[in-house]
Amino acid sequence: NAGVTQTPKFQVLKTGQSMTLQCAQDMNHEYMSWYRQDPGMGLRLIHYSVGAGITDQGEVPNGYNVSRSTTEDFPLRLLSAAPSQTSVYFCASSRDSDYGYTFGSGTRLTVV
Amino acid sequence: DQQVKQNSPSLSVQEGRISILNCDYTNSMFDYFLWYKKYPAEGPTFLISISSIKDKNEDGRFTVFLNKSAKHLSLHIVPSQPGDSAVYFCAASGIIQGAQKLVFGQGTRLTINP
Repeated sequence: NAGVTQTPKFQVLKTGQSMTLQCAQDMNHEYMSWYRQDPGMGLRLIHYSVGAGITDQGEVPNGYNVSRSTTEDFPLRLLSAAPSQTSVYFCASSRDSDYGYTFGSGTRLTVV
Repeated sequence: DQQVKQNSPSLSVQEGRISILNCDYTNSMFDYFLWYKKYPAEGPTFLISISSIKDKNEDGRFTVFLNKSAKHLSLHIVPSQPGDSAVYFCAASGIIQGAQKLVFGQGTRLTINP
């Protein structure tokens, strides 16, 4: 099925470990974004990309890196995990800035 | 600084009645507004949107109203059905600090009672 695929679905990390959350879409969308969802905070933008090779910071970028080498993939890297990064992470893509975003099913990350 | 606010964390409505979810925004640069619906353990799904040049958009049981002067939008669901029970996020899109951004509210949990 076409859409946004996120892996893994669940992950537990120890403080200081690094990992990459994978995101891939097969809709040839130019716009891709990473959000985190925390209770009472809604969805907050971490990083976004308007096309291959172009990325920019969102509202809460600290502690995360991204790259966009292809249109399809937009991985999110945690360089040194902290308990404050415990959250549910969503990747989303869109064909343009005003069109409804398609979201992946999320990655639930726990940092202990 | 919460640019998009949903002040009601939860809402309970009887099946068949109207559900009204509200959203306020502060930045006048937002020019496109969207509503998303989210079930547990799933990603948000796009529901309905409205451009700032309109004041109403309707899609079946769902209608979104935009009041630009009050910086307020609302989502009406008529009639409400049990399958509508979910968390609803309001989102606003616009050029913010030189880049196109999509900003979400905190969400409202809607429960439809049989």
